[in-house]
Amino acid sequence: LAKTTQPISMDSYEGQEVNITCSHNNIATNDYITWYQQFPSQGPRFIIQGYKTKVTNEVASLFIPADRKSSTLSLPRVSLSDTAVYYCLVGVVNNDMRFGAGTRLTVKP
Amino acid sequence: NAGVTQTPKFQVLKTGQSMTLQCAQDMNHEYMSWYRQDPGMGLRLIHYSVGAGITDQGEVPNGYNVSRSTTEDFPLRLLSAAPSQTSVYFCASSYDQNTEAFFGQGTRLTVV
Repeated sequence: LAKTTQPISMDSYEGQEVNITCSHNNIATNDYITWYQQFPSQGPRFIIQGYKTKVTNEVASLFIPADRKSSTLSLPRVSLSDTAVYYCLVGVVNNDMRFGAGTRLTVKP
Repeated sequence: NAGVTQTPKFQVLKTGQSMTLQCAQDMNHEYMSWYRQDPGMGLRLIHYSVGAGITDQGEVPNGYNVSRSTTEDFPLRLLSAAPSQTSVYFCASSYDQNTEAFFGQGTRLTVV
């Protein structure tokens, strides 16, 4: 499994765009990049998944450069309810998604 | 659509007691797994299953047993609870290992 590195914490204000970058230098050819969101006392929730270039859905965008050694989760116009921990996962082996410590995002009013 | 349902939500056990954490999904997913999450940390895989009758160990399997007699259910058994097993336990299911995983709400277990 590729090792991932992401910031421990980030602060933002309501209405701003938030970009969380994840480094994964040893990503394998077949690995997908997946982001999950976790609120306190809840299970993680899938946000977005991509393989290369850009993926967009109704809640986020995922930017992946050509070398795929990093990825950036972009949350447009965050609100207080986006305060959560965000996990970057790269590759899955034997159903092991290997969550790291994640990035704790705090959105302030 | 219930998704992944875990019971109980909270449990306190005494050291040495045994218990079963229940997990059920109604999405007909083949892949199911159990994770534990300790304070301030990410999730660690305990056991997983790729279909009925098939289970395997994850990163931290010691002290836990699983079985998968049906597609829907994947119970986790604590054989003899220890304080080190105090944690929040999450069950997850997915169509396959590379697709979106759906998690339950978790079981908060305290072993005293």
